[in-house]
Amino acid sequence: QKEVEQNSGPLSVPEGAIASLNCTYSDRGSQSFFWYRQYSGKSPELIMSIYSNGDKEDGRFTAQLNKASQYVSLLIRDSQPSDSATYLCAVLYNFNKFYFGSGTKLNVKP
Amino acid sequence: KAGVTQTPRYLIKTRGQQVTLSCSPISGHRSVSWYQQTPGQGLQFLFEYFSETQRNKGNFPGRFSGRQFSNSRSEMNVSTLELGDSALYLCASSTDSGTGGLGYTFGSGTRLTVV
Repeated sequence: QKEVEQNSGPLSVPEGAIASLNCTYSDRGSQSFFWYRQYSGKSPELIMSIYSNGDKEDGRFTAQLNKASQYVSLLIRDSQPSDSATYLCAVLYNFNKFYFGSGTKLNVKP
Repeated sequence: KAGVTQTPRYLIKTRGQQVTLSCSPISGHRSVSWYQQTPGQGLQFLFEYFSETQRNKGNFPGRFSGRQFSNSRSEMNVSTLELGDSALYLCASSTDSGTGGLGYTFGSGTRLTVV
């Protein structure tokens, strides 16, 4: 069983819509959760971090964490074509082990 | 503020050769981690160094090794290259003593092609 699971997609949404990306993890002891965006041919870029249950908003991005259900999600409001990328979920275990999901490819259609 | 610098950006090697990749973390970052990224396997953790000590290691064969210098710069070495080693190798640095409660900053990566 993989530690971090993501649907590989592609997830296609029209411009202006809300894109919803999901991630589940296996270890209940996880402390910190991150979303990275990776454009084709580029390195991952940190866009959101969340540490406690609930929602965390940053501009058009909202990260949601539910530790009881062991899932993390990322909502992108008013999606733009420039948001088209692969989104990687990452989970920190035991303060020093990082696991990445395989990523969800998002396509935002003009 | 300079980001994470990886050199070289691209590399082509022949099977059986060895290769050394370099990473300079953000100034003040003491933790450096290395990842291998391939289309089929995604991001796979190689190892993490903090204060010149390897703190964590992933499930890669002993052909993959690394080290960190006193200025936090890190190198990774792959010996006896195989075709399957072709990948993007990413270095990530963090301020935390662990692998990054605040998250990583990644370098641009080194694209290694083994022929």
